[in-house]
Amino acid sequence: DTGVSQNPRHKITKRGQNVTFRCDPISEHNRLYWYRQTLGQGPEFLTYFQNEAQLEKSRLLSDRFSAERPKGSFSTLEIQRTEQGDSAMYLCASSLGGPYTGELFFGEGSRLTVL
Amino acid sequence: AQKITQTQPGMFVQEKEAVTLDCTYDTSDPSYGLFWYKQPSSGEMIFLIYQGSYDQQNATEGRYSLNFQKARKSANLVISASQLGDSAMYFCAMRLNSGYSTLTFGKGTMLLVSP
Repeated sequence: DTGVSQNPRHKITKRGQNVTFRCDPISEHNRLYWYRQTLGQGPEFLTYFQNEAQLEKSRLLSDRFSAERPKGSFSTLEIQRTEQGDSAMYLCASSLGGPYTGELFFGEGSRLTVL
Repeated sequence: AQKITQTQPGMFVQEKEAVTLDCTYDTSDPSYGLFWYKQPSSGEMIFLIYQGSYDQQNATEGRYSLNFQKARKSANLVISASQLGDSAMYFCAMRLNSGYSTLTFGKGTMLLVSP
């Protein structure tokens, strides 16, 4: 399967713990996005990478959140000192750069439950 | 800032019938793209169809067509000959062609197809 891969698919943690999600984009895609989706809502943009550079961050991304994309390949999203409000589906997407339709290819998401 | 509005929380349709899912958008930018994604219960966002703001003709992809009315700022998705497998959440999204290629999503419409 050469699609966007996310791990783990499900994570249950206690409030105050740190969690990390990993995203492996489609190999030739240089753009990578993180979104958060809560129940009954559409995905909300968190952050965007072009290659290894983090070019945009939403104000939703508090200082407890950090994302990296070393070497422009896979990406990690870490949440420190988790809160119950962090419970959500975290979606990763990737796309090609240059002139194109802008279609984002999404992974199946990582569902976080904070107890 | 851009905004997407989907006013139908849920829609019901019988198998083989056509259904229209509504989407309106708001932006002052002249250049943008409009997208529809399908999200089945598995969680993955599946790209369906794209319409550019300067495209003269409405986009079509198999059973999906996009009824683009630029003056009314609407981009409704029409699914012809509904199938049971079409039951899912459907999200309308917009990307501005200025700045970075992030998508802004609406809250979605749940479509249920009955036999």
